[in-house]
Amino acid sequence: QGQLVESGGGVVQPGESLRLSCAASGFTLRNYGMHWVRQAPGKGLEWVAFIRSDGSDKYYADSVKGRFTISRDNSKNTLSLQMNSLRPEDTAVYYCAGLAPYNYWGQGSLVTVSS
Amino acid sequence: EIVLTQSPATLSLSPGERATLSCRASQSVSSYLAWYQQKPGQAPSLLIYDASNRATGIPARFSGSGSGTDFTLTISSLEPEDFAVYFCQQRSNWPHSFGQGTKLEIK
Repeated sequence: QGQLVESGGGVVQPGESLRLSCAASGFTLRNYGMHWVRQAPGKGLEWVAFIRSDGSDKYYADSVKGRFTISRDNSKNTLSLQMNSLRPEDTAVYYCAGLAPYNYWGQGSLVTVSS
Repeated sequence: EIVLTQSPATLSLSPGERATLSCRASQSVSSYLAWYQQKPGQAPSLLIYDASNRATGIPARFSGSGSGTDFTLTISSLEPEDFAVYFCQQRSNWPHSFGQGTKLEIK
């Protein structure tokens, strides 16, 4: 059974940057398009970004476009999310995920943006 | 952007009862609609993909139906472990979007 493990979350001030990483084990990440999904405290799920299996295409939610960058290193079986110009409304648990028809989810990494 | 509207926001039922959850899309998503279950403190998990296909290991009491703009998740007879939050998600158009969720609670 494949597993995803996120890292890099933490507390930052508005305007600062943070980089999330997601390491895959038990399956070959290069075979899958991958997503980042976030969930603000007590709220629903928000789709954030997607990258194709070979990195050729990337898509972003309007709320993060121009500030966040999704990337991957298939040689290292890892996915990343570079988050710049962070805002308080970016506070959330961030999941890396292989969404439907696949079902791969990390445990989530909490990002808190607060002054 | 496609907006997914789930109803009801909260559904109160007893174990053994039938649950019917709805997801309506603001424009057609064909059959590219998935359902996820999320329990407190856990990541979501896939139940149904492409409107009606059960994910691996999902019990037969879960079924999905619909196409275009109207979709339904049905749980035929609720088990205690089914009380959770359910989200629909479309992968027809970018950005891929989620519904706001339906909380299924014990009555």
